[in-house]
Formats: sequence, structure tokens, C-alpha cells
Amino acid sequence: GESVGLHLPTLSVQEGDNSIINCAYSNSASDYFIWYKQESGKGPQFIIDIRSNMDKRQGQRVTVLLNKTVKHLSLQIAATQPGDSAVYFCAENIAGNNRKLIWGLGTSLAVNP
Amino acid sequence: EPEVTQTPSHQVTQMGQEVILRCVPISNHLYFYWYRQILGQKVEFLVSFYNNEISEKSEIFDDQFSVERPDGSNFTLKIRSTKLEDSAMYFCASSPSLRGYTFGSGTRLTVV
Repeated sequence: GESVGLHLPTLSVQEGDNSIINCAYSNSASDYFIWYKQESGKGPQFIIDIRSNMDKRQGQRVTVLLNKTVKHLSLQIAATQPGDSAVYFCAENIAGNNRKLIWGLGTSLAVNP
Repeated sequence: EPEVTQTPSHQVTQMGQEVILRCVPISNHLYFYWYRQILGQKVEFLVSFYNNEISEKSEIFDDQFSVERPDGSNFTLKIRSTKLEDSAMYFCASSPSLRGYTFGSGTRLTVV
């Protein structure tokens, strides 16, 4: 039968504003987390990662926050640009689980000029 | 910047046919992976490969699937008898360690 795609959460922001994309991860044993950006028709592109012994990590215009108590991860993008429009995925790796990544659903970010 | 290269970018095949998806990982990487993404859905892990053998596979990766590293540079995914539900984007990735995953641009497989 026909498969129905999942409805992605969508975040719409104005150019220049800050964006916050949230992710609830699934396994309390996960010790490594990555944010990926996926543009239409392309493969996932690494943005930033964080280990479970940290609660914050900053990159260029991006910050990842990790709250292990509630199993929550967020990606903050400063001064969002039209080129940031994409689907953003969080992925987790369970400690000792041989580098397999478990992916979240994804959030579609639309930047309005 | 080093890239993971996948060919073809789009493959159309008839149900029941065999397909081979090809990947050239980054040359100094040791770990190789296949993931797939059905249109509009999550990225799903299929298999990881290290030291010339499968290190982990998901429940999706049944007997119809196989992987091979036939030479020093290529990493292939074979689907023996394709089904309609195998239609998806297939992504190859490689990494030198846990960190530093690099994904290819994917092969869109359409089974008709």
C-alpha cells in the first residue's frame, strides 16, 4: 500500500532572528549526540556534536544544549540566514553500541527573508 | 574537503530485480555504514562495517541485503530481490572513529 510520510514539525523564523530547534532523545544510555542539517536532495551534513559529559557546546553561530535529566537536546542558530533553511535532525549514539546512530524525526526550518 | 561519493544518484528498478548501490568512503576512514530514508520519514540505520565484516545490523537488514568491500576503496550495498517498500534514499557514511561521520549525497532507489 501507499506509505504516508510523517508530518515534520516546522519552525518558521525571520532572517536575522535566532532559531531554537528541540529534540527529545530516546535512551538514557546515550552518550553522544549530533545535529545534522539536510537540504533537499542532499545527504545529512554534520553541524555540531556533544558528549554526555557536557551540557553546552558552541560552534560558529550554533550552540547545542544537552539536558540529560529530561533527555532533551536543543540546537540554537544565531542570526538565522536563508541558507539555514533545511531539515534538522538530532541523532544519538548509545554507549558501547558500536557507533550506530539513532535518528530523531527532524524539524523543518524555514527562514523568511 | 574529502567526500563520500555514491553512485548512481538515482536508480529505477523493477520489483524482484537485484540492485547494487555503490559508495566510495573517505580513504583513511575505518568504519562504514549504510542508512536509508523513506520519503518524509526518519533516517534509519541499516548496517555498520569494520575490519571487513559487519559489526552491527538492524532488523531491516534481512537476508535480502548484503554489503561488501570488494577492494580498497569501494563499499557496496546489494539488495537481492527488490520490493516496492525498498524505495528510499540510501545513504552511505564513513568515519575514522565515533566522531567525524561523513555522509554521501545518497542514491534514490525507486522500485516499480
